[in-house]
Amino acid sequence: GQQLNQSPQSMFIQEGEDVSMNCTSSSIFNTWLWYKQDPGEGPVLLIALYKAGELTSNGRLTAQFGITRKDSFLNISASIPSDVGIYFCAGRDRASGTYKYIFGTGTRLKVLA
Amino acid sequence: DGGITQSPKYLFRKEGQNVTLSCEQNLNHDAMYWYRQDPGQGLRLIYYSQIVNDFQKGDIAEGYSVSREKKESFPLTVTSAQKNPTAFYLCASTIGSNQPQHFGDGTRLSIL
Repeated sequence: GQQLNQSPQSMFIQEGEDVSMNCTSSSIFNTWLWYKQDPGEGPVLLIALYKAGELTSNGRLTAQFGITRKDSFLNISASIPSDVGIYFCAGRDRASGTYKYIFGTGTRLKVLA
Repeated sequence: DGGITQSPKYLFRKEGQNVTLSCEQNLNHDAMYWYRQDPGQGLRLIYYSQIVNDFQKGDIAEGYSVSREKKESFPLTVTSAQKNPTAFYLCASTIGSNQPQHFGDGTRLSIL
């Protein structure tokens, strides 16, 4: 099945640094979601985006819905150790006519204190 | 509290056995989903259901079966036909087509 291209696959950063990751699709999406997953837990919704160009923040996290509708970006400012985890993007293909979401392969973030 | 409950947290299966994973939600959500996650991998859709008594195959439905007899429940059976069932299984639900999915805490299935 289709999966989104999410990059980078993994990253090690120093505490206090800013983090950027992105997700690209071959299809046009009308909804983009960003999740964080801790080990052994289910993903938790961070930010939902519904309009092209939309920029939404949740604390130190900021996500953008790309104007082409084929990409999305997540930034984390001033990273802290508890930011460690796997970040997933997900998008809904407007042509699907279903409630299905397509998920990215994840970005594994490790923060060095 | 409202949410999605998956049980058990850990499950062990013998070769040739069927096992059923439970997923219950009290969010009054219409749609429910099952995903499989392998180590270091993303989420792959097994089955989903948009309304009661109806469900659709996802990308990796072979060796799995589901039922949706009640709005709040969407159990997943891993059958003996699934030759590599060891994985982390996640259940999710959403209230509508353009709304985010919310996830349970997962069930980790292992083969004895």
